[in-house]
Amino acid sequence: GENVEQHPSTLSVQEGDSAVIKCTYSDSASNYFPWYKQELGKGPQLIIDIRSNVGEKKDQRIAVTLNKTAKHFSLHITETQPEDSAVYFCVPLETSYDKVIFGPGTSLSVIP
Amino acid sequence: DTGVSQNPRHKITKRGQNVTFRCDPISEHNRLYWYRQTLGQGPEFLTYFQNEAQLEKSRLLSDRFSAERPKGSFSTLEIQRTEQGDSAMYLCASSFDRTYQLDSYNEQFFGPGTRLTVL
Repeated sequence: GENVEQHPSTLSVQEGDSAVIKCTYSDSASNYFPWYKQELGKGPQLIIDIRSNVGEKKDQRIAVTLNKTAKHFSLHITETQPEDSAVYFCVPLETSYDKVIFGPGTSLSVIP
Repeated sequence: DTGVSQNPRHKITKRGQNVTFRCDPISEHNRLYWYRQTLGQGPEFLTYFQNEAQLEKSRLLSDRFSAERPKGSFSTLEIQRTEQGDSAMYLCASSFDRTYQLDSYNEQFFGPGTRLTVL
């Protein structure tokens, strides 16, 4: 099965700074790379994703970069705001998947 | 609100009691998933349905757990003879199966969860 590691496990940044979370995986069949955000008391929510034929994707303050050769992809959040505080999960998948396998995630705290 | 809804949001019960949770998926979604999440961990897959058929069950789903989706719409998750180790957040998610489309992704939309506390 897929072996996924996410670093760091916790991250604390000052408001306005950037945050980067890195995810490494082992299954070369993975071809779809979403990031989920889970705020306190809520279910996870897909915030950005990237497919294996793309190296980078941006959506306002968040971006995801993919290095398929090295089997890692990263989430970048610029100009962080307190509402970015949450747990973030990377979930490398094959597109014909049946279920999402979550790791422990990264807890991001943005200090005002 | 057309998102996934779950009821109740919180449930406190005594050990040994039975509890039942309900999930109402997004109306056009044919897949429905149940996950369990404990503090500091990511959600763990329990089971999923395609319409009314239960297609996969995790080994985490002991004999005390049963899930149903009788009409292919809402689903219930029942835990019999609850134990303190069952205390967790139970999350439901739904998606629309697009596996017939090449390179498709069935994005899962999660509900807010039901927090179970077993005393």
